[in-house]
Amino acid sequence: DGGITQSPKYLFRKEGQNVTLSCEQNLNHDAMYWYRQDPGQGLRLIYYSQIVNDFQKGDIAEGYSVSREKKESFPLTVTSAQKNPTAFYLCASRQNGGETQYFGPGTRLLVL
Amino acid sequence: GIQVEQSPPDLILQEGANSTLRCNFSDSVNNLQWFHQNPWGQLINLFYIPSGTKQNGRLSATTVATERYSLLYISSSQTTDSGVYFCAVDGSGYSTLTFGKGTMLLVSP
Repeated sequence: DGGITQSPKYLFRKEGQNVTLSCEQNLNHDAMYWYRQDPGQGLRLIYYSQIVNDFQKGDIAEGYSVSREKKESFPLTVTSAQKNPTAFYLCASRQNGGETQYFGPGTRLLVL
Repeated sequence: GIQVEQSPPDLILQEGANSTLRCNFSDSVNNLQWFHQNPWGQLINLFYIPSGTKQNGRLSATTVATERYSLLYISSSQTTDSGVYFCAVDGSGYSTLTFGKGTMLLVSP
């Protein structure tokens, strides 16, 4: 089945640790995005990538890093510099020239 | 940056009722999408509608780009319509979306 997968579904982290969230798509989409959602809020853009080996900061990139070495993969690292990392993280993709973004199921990160 | 405001923030309906959700945005947009987020967090595309009117079953949407608002209509609501409805716009031209805070809908049997 074509789609976007995110793993793990739930992730627990101790303060001071870096953690990497996985996002994979087999839709052959060029663009990929990471969003953060806090309770009762809309989504906010962290990073996005329009093409392999290139990415841009979104509105809340501080404390996060990404890589785009393969078209189908766009992992997000939450670093220890992110002061309030507990949130729901959503990955999306879009075909260049396409109209809509399609979302994965999300990863819930809890910092203990 | 562009601002997106959704109203009402919360809505409770009985099954079978109709509703209208509103999205106001502060600048011209290249893209406007409506999403439904189910209780498990999955976002589902409902409409891509930067202007005009579209219908899909019991749902329809209208965007009046010159007046910077969009409306989502839900008719004959069902309990499965419950969840959060988001409006998102792209005003940057870089195909990034700015989301509103959503309307939380609860449809009771």
